[in-house]
Amino acid sequence: DVKVTQSSRYLVKRTGEKVFLECVQDMDHENMFWYRQDPGLGLRLIYFSYDVKMKEKGDIPEGYSVSREKKERFSLILESASTNQTSMYLCASRTLLTGRGTFYEQYFGPGTRLTVT
Amino acid sequence: ELKVEQNPLFLSMQEGKNYTIYCNYSTTSDRLYWYRQDPGKSLESLFVLLSNGAVKQEGRLMASLDTKARLSTLHITAAVHDLSATYFCAVDTGPGNTPLVFGKGTRLSVIA
Repeated sequence: DVKVTQSSRYLVKRTGEKVFLECVQDMDHENMFWYRQDPGLGLRLIYFSYDVKMKEKGDIPEGYSVSREKKERFSLILESASTNQTSMYLCASRTLLTGRGTFYEQYFGPGTRLTVT
Repeated sequence: ELKVEQNPLFLSMQEGKNYTIYCNYSTTSDRLYWYRQDPGKSLESLFVLLSNGAVKQEGRLMASLDTKARLSTLHITAAVHDLSATYFCAVDTGPGNTPLVFGKGTRLSVIA
């Protein structure tokens, strides 16, 4: 079974703290993603990474940075947490499958619910 | 810029009834994905549709794709409470390492 794990299910931090959210996948996937999910806004892409040490901004990168030093691990960093970053954070990884068609198989982690007070 | 729109965003339906969720997208694509998210949980893959006219079915859920109309549908037959969840469609703009673009999700509540 593919597994995408996230370091915490629930996290409470104070405004101004530096926050690290860790994501690990065990299937040697090249691509990894960080999303945030808010009611009424769906999934919004923060950053993604095609491969080790590579990163690309998504739709809402402001206030966030990422690190991918190893293929299996993709970290999301909130340099100075703010209350508007209170959200559910979802990590995902994917691979491209070929055979009967070509498509992405994308797996999501369980999510981290972050509260910034 | 690719836009993916789902409707309705909220759906309350009675057990035993049929209904359809619609997913429209704005640019050419022939790869469309449906995911399910149970309350408090993460997203799980339901269907992958890879060509015009593709149809996939599992249990009471059936998904179809019309690439000419840029439309996918998720049809629910004789709804049961266990289908209560949020359903997302996502479009793959490919080729290359481009992220999937997700709709905002349809929150389905099946009531007795």
